[in-house]
Amino acid sequence: EPEVTQTPSHQVTQMGQEVILRCVPISNHLYFYWYRQILGQKVEFLVSFYNNEISEKSEIFDDQFSVERPDGSNFTLKIRSTKLEDSAMYFCASSVTRDQERQGPNEKLFFGSGTQLSVL
Amino acid sequence: DQQVKQNSPSLSVQEGRISILNCDYTNSMFDYFLWYKKYPAEGPTFLISISSIKDKNEDGRFTVFLNKSAKHLSLHIVPSQPGDSAVYFCAASGNQGGKLIFGQGTELSVKP
Repeated sequence: EPEVTQTPSHQVTQMGQEVILRCVPISNHLYFYWYRQILGQKVEFLVSFYNNEISEKSEIFDDQFSVERPDGSNFTLKIRSTKLEDSAMYFCASSVTRDQERQGPNEKLFFGSGTQLSVL
Repeated sequence: DQQVKQNSPSLSVQEGRISILNCDYTNSMFDYFLWYKKYPAEGPTFLISISSIKDKNEDGRFTVFLNKSAKHLSLHIVPSQPGDSAVYFCAASGNQGGKLIFGQGTELSVKP
């Protein structure tokens, strides 16, 4: 079964450093997402991406965050200058095949296993 | 942000019995509800969903019930199996944009 893959599984960085979290969504999916879960808290929406642009973002997704689809397979989340409170599990997700595209985005998301980011 | 709440952080059930996981929401604009299951070191996995125009959806051992007037949904697993032991997240959506609002999760433990 196709799956979303994320690398690395763990990332440790110093406060103020830039990090890039990488994701390979399911190959025929068109919508891409980043969510995060701070330890002990809810899974939170960060951003959705479609047709090479951000379609929606939360208030968490401030100027320190950016997303990019640099080629036909990768989807990245960059945090420009990490803060201690950015420590969390970051999940990438994708949804909607070309056949489903006419119906618009749907809520059945396929998630990766996550990248645990630790900011020291 | 408490739009979706799962008030039970954990639930323990005997194998073969029914597991009932509950979820409440406050936003009447939500029109689609989902349950995800999560094992340690894995991402959430879609389990079952229900549209707000329905009150029940069944898929094998899993049934989701929606009570819109009470803004409450529940997931029934019957019979429960040890492999069902995981964290179950309730999620809701209101704008068809794939933006899900998650509950805090309920950790289900099914004992043999």
